[in-house]
Order: sequence, then C-alpha cells, then structure tokens
Amino acid sequence: DAGVIQSPRHEVTEMGQEVTLRCKPISGHDYLFWYRQTMMRGLELLIYFNNNVPIDDSGMPEDRFSAKMPNASFSTLKIQPSEPRDSAVYFCASSFRAETQYFGPGTRLLVL
Amino acid sequence: GQQLNQSPQSMFIQEGEDVSMNCTSSSIFNTWLWYKQEPGEGPVLLIALYKAGELTSNGRLTAQFGITRKDSFLNISASIPSDVGIYFCAGQSNFGNEKLTFGTGTRLTIIP
Repeated sequence: DAGVIQSPRHEVTEMGQEVTLRCKPISGHDYLFWYRQTMMRGLELLIYFNNNVPIDDSGMPEDRFSAKMPNASFSTLKIQPSEPRDSAVYFCASSFRAETQYFGPGTRLLVL
Repeated sequence: GQQLNQSPQSMFIQEGEDVSMNCTSSSIFNTWLWYKQEPGEGPVLLIALYKAGELTSNGRLTAQFGITRKDSFLNISASIPSDVGIYFCAGQSNFGNEKLTFGTGTRLTIIP
C-alpha cells in the first residue's frame, strides 16, 4: 500500500489567498484525521471524519478553515483567506475502526 | 488543546548510549502510543500499550504503561545514528475512541 498521500508537500502563498490541502487515505480505512503541527502548539487535531462524515471539528481554529470528504478516498482542508499565523505543517492521518493512526508526510505551508 | 508533558524536551547523546524519556498526564489514558517523527515526514507508530503495567519491546525499543495510567516511558538501548528524530507519546482515553492527545515531543540528537 502507498500509505497516506498528501499534496502538495510544500505550499507558499500570500496572505489573503485561498489554500487547499489534499489527502488520500489508505484504502479501506474508515477514519480520517487532519492535524496541524507548530513549534509553539505541537500536534493539534483539527477535525476528523468517520465514513466520510465529520465527527468532531472542535479543533478547527476559526471559520476560515473548512474540511470536506466527498468520498472514501479523498479529503480537502481549505483555508480562506489565509493568514501568516496559519503557517505550519498540516498532516492527514487515517485509521481502520479508530485503531492505529497512520500519518501522511505532511504539507508544509508558509503564508507570507 | 490538551497536551501531555514529555521530558526531556531534547537530548544530546553519544552513539551507543541508552536513552530514556517519559510522558505524564493529569488524566487517565487506557492506551498509550509512542511515535517517531523524522525530518520532513509524518509521525510513525513505534509501540502501542493497552494495559496498565504492560512492558512491550520492539527491537531496541522498550516502552511501559505506567501503573497509575497517567504516565508512560520509552527506552532505547544502544542508540545508533538512525534513532535521530522527535519522539512523541500519545494517549487515547478509550480503545476505539478516535481522538489522540499528543505529547510535546522529545528531540533526540546523536553525536557520532
């Protein structure tokens, strides 16, 4: 299996622009998680889905952030408009029946 | 969000030395996990612990689930250069509870 796939691996954008991060979970996994990692706050759970349905979005920082999972093999995390403080590494992880979470390589986002 | 406290925050050791790190929480967890993150990659699961007092090994790595269920320990014996990275503990309040709480991380640097 190819593991969790994320794209792009790196993104540099200007403040105010829309950013879309993409994730393809491991085939057969029914849970998908979006995390954000920063030096100050460590790894934070933003939102997670079960069978494509959002279960808990309490970690989403504010309305500028949104996530969708239109099918079992694809999810997006969108930031609109982006701000410099959104600069971080964003990870997607997937699991089968809420067991071991497997992480993707992450998207390193820099908002200028 | 809630974080687990890990110590030490960073370690500089010589190749061949043993390494010990720990993770503490004010809350009880029923599952403890240890992940390793290498530069530019996502966290990778090393060891999972499911029972208080449990001691589990994975090669040169040994982890223990504290009796109080509020702490966990990770030991690495005879360190080698590829052990370099950031080690994270993670707690899960109930097996099958989807959300993980991550520790603050221990950065391991090995001096040849």
